This record gives sequence, C-alpha cells and structure tokens, in this order.
Amino acid sequence: QVQLKESGPVLVQASETLSLTCTVSGFSLTNYGVIWVRQSPGKGLEWMGIIWGDGNTDYNSALKSRLSINRDTSKSQVFLKMNSLQTDDTAIYYCTRAPVDYWGQGVMVTVSS
Amino acid sequence: DIQMTQSPSSMSASLGDRVTITCQASQDIGNNLIWFQQKPGKSPRRMIYYATNLANGVPSRFSGSRSGSDYSLTIISLESEDMADYHCLQYKQYPWTFGGGTKLELK
Repeated sequence: QVQLKESGPVLVQASETLSLTCTVSGFSLTNYGVIWVRQSPGKGLEWMGIIWGDGNTDYNSALKSRLSINRDTSKSQVFLKMNSLQTDDTAIYYCTRAPVDYWGQGVMVTVSS
Repeated sequence: DIQMTQSPSSMSASLGDRVTITCQASQDIGNNLIWFQQKPGKSPRRMIYYATNLANGVPSRFSGSRSGSDYSLTIISLESEDMADYHCLQYKQYPWTFGGGTKLELK
C-alpha cells in the first residue's frame, strides 16, 4: 500500500540547514509528485513546494531562496533542504503524495536559538 | 497569493447536527479545492477533492459544494468521530494556500 515516512533531525540550531528525507513505498516517484507541507501553531498549514513526477520543482516564493527539493528515484526518496533556519521554522514537517491523498506521519522539528 | 478565508475558526455542535464550514477564495480557483480532516496528533486526511468529490473511504454524511467563490464542507448528521480540525486547500495557483482551519468540538 501507499506509504510515506519523513525522517531527519528533531532539533536544529538557528542559522543551520535542515535536511529531511521522505521515503515512499507503494508508488513510483516518476509517476507522482511529492509535496512538502509544514504546520506550526503560529502559521497553521503552509505549502512549501513540490517535486513532480518529471523531476521539475515548484516552490513557495516565500521560502524559495532557502529551500530545495530533490529526489533519488532509485531509493524512492525525496529530500528537503532549507537553510538559514530561524525559530519560527519550528513546525511539524509533512510529505504528501500529489494530489495530496496520502500523507506521512510528520516529523516535529524544533529550531533552537 | 490567493487568500482562503475559512469560517468559523471554531464551533461546537451536538451529535446529529448538520454542520457547515466555509472557505472563501480571494481569486478564482475553479473547483481546485480540497478539504482535510485532522485529529490531534495525526496527519491530515483528505475528505473532499475537486471541491465536491468524496475521497475514498469517507462517509457519505460528508459533502462538498461550491457557490461562486465560497466553498463549503457539510456534515449532515454529526457523529462523535467527526470531532476534529478541518482545513481547506486551494491548488489552482502557486503558492497553494490553506484556510486558517476550523476546530469542531462537541457541545
């Protein structure tokens, strides 16, 4: 069945880079896009960006200068990297399959000053 | 960016009640709207897609509708398992944007 699972550090220092991995199963990354969404108490749900089945990416312009999304199709993994972290980047980070039908469990990331 | 104004932000209702939650889009999004349910500590669950289509496995007491730029999620007879947060998402234009959420509680 379709599954997505996020992994990565739960505590990151301010100004550092966040690296998260979304490992998927039950579908091919070349057939479906994968989206990153985050959820924080202060900002609610925020769409971060997507990597499409063809490998093209689209990003939230508010994050574009700090964000990159890549993938390794052979490993069924999608990667999120976001630099220059600040405390308001503290959130639960989710990956979800386009068209937003299946979600990972999320990973809570805390940015410490 | 397209603003999705969701109302109410919270509400309480009794079992068996009819409940309606609304998202208003600041620009035309067509039917490119999804409704999610989210329970505490859980990931969102897609309930309605393309504004009016029931997602797989979702009870038929849920429905989605559209009137102009207003999109509604209706639960025709509230059950205890429906207590959750509800969110809308537009995917017509980048950046995709969510409504502010509605917390549905038992009266």
